[in-house]
Parts: sequence; C-alpha cells; structure tokens
Amino acid sequence: AQKITQTQPGMFVQEKEAVTLDCTYDTSDPSYGLFWYKQPSSGEMIFLIYQGSYDQQNATEGRYSLNFQKARKSANLVISASQLGDSAMYFCAMREGYPKGNKLVFGAGTILRVKS
Amino acid sequence: DTGVSQNPRHKITKRGQNVTFRCDPISEHNRLYWYRQTLGQGPEFLTYFQNEAQLEKSRLLSDRFSAERPKGSFSTLEIQRTEQGDSAMYLCASSPGTGVQETQYFGPGTRLLVL
Repeated sequence: AQKITQTQPGMFVQEKEAVTLDCTYDTSDPSYGLFWYKQPSSGEMIFLIYQGSYDQQNATEGRYSLNFQKARKSANLVISASQLGDSAMYFCAMREGYPKGNKLVFGAGTILRVKS
Repeated sequence: DTGVSQNPRHKITKRGQNVTFRCDPISEHNRLYWYRQTLGQGPEFLTYFQNEAQLEKSRLLSDRFSAERPKGSFSTLEIQRTEQGDSAMYLCASSPGTGVQETQYFGPGTRLLVL
C-alpha cells in the first residue's frame, strides 16, 4: 500500500505569494516522523522541515511551515512569500518508529514553479 | 564542506560492465543509507548501515548489487553486469542516530546511465 501520497504533480505560484503542497500518509504506527525535502534540478535532496507524530505544535522553519492534521493523516507544506529560487521538486517523506524506522518512504513529489 | 559527498557525480557505462560508487557521510554520523531514484519518482530505499554493519536490504537490491562500509566511515555501492534498467540517480544519506526525528542528510547523488 502506498504510504505517502502527493496528489499534485505540478503547481504554479506567483512570486511573493504563499503556496501549499499537499501530502497524505498512511501508517498504523503511533510513532512516526514526517519530512519535507526540496530537490532542485541539480539533484541534491535538501532537508526543509520535520514534524513528529507527538508534536503538539505545527513545525515552522523560516518561510516553511507544516500544516499537520493528525486525524486526517495529512502534512501539507506551506511556503510563504515564494521566491524564484523555490522552483524545484518537493518530496514528502515518512519514517516510522522502531523496528521499522530505518528508512524514509517518499511520495512521488510535486514540481513547483514560481512565476515572476 | 562537511556535507555528504558522492563520487562520481555522473557515470556512463555500457550494459554488462561493473560500476562502483562511493559515498562519504557527514563525519561522526553512524548511519548511512543508499537510495535509488528513477526519473519522475521519489527516492526508494536500497540499504542502510549502522557503523560497518549492513542491517537492512530492500528487495530492490538484487544479487548484482553489493554495498559495503568497511570501517564504518565511507561506503561503496557496486553494481555488477549493469542493465539498462539500472539507469537512475543513486543517492546516499547519513544521519547521526536512530530516532524517528533523526534527519537524513543527502549527498548530491550519482547519475548512472547504462547504454
């Protein structure tokens, strides 16, 4: 069964506006972590933000915030004040707890294009 | 630069040849992971090491693939008798520990093209 679903193959956003990238996940493990990575055309995976299943507050890192809705099993990434350099592929990933927590399971990704 | 490094960055080979990739993790990170990413997909887990011990291998890792981390530092991934289906980006990541919150930091990847 697919564990991470990113339903938006591609998104456009106007520079300086906010954009939300969707991610839903599936797990029966009460302990898990959710991650977002950015992959520019150069190929390197850049860590953006982390949310733990037991965290009471939504994670924030600069212009990135995570809209975590545990009951809906969603972990959407919000990028505020989009910049041209935000154009890239974005991946949502999950890591489950022991004994399964040895790898990240990734979604198929969303391509974001920021327009000037 | 203290990030994860991978060499070579690009590799073109003919079908049937053997190739070897190297990954140098962030120093003092005891966990090292290999992933494969095909065009238009997210990375898929191949294997991981805790220090020098290889603790898990994916079913994607056929018997033509072998990975080592002999001294618990750098790692190599070898593909024998390459096939065109092996063409992909091979990503290495490292992390300092084992908790769900431990972030995996990725290298720039090695792009393999099998002709």
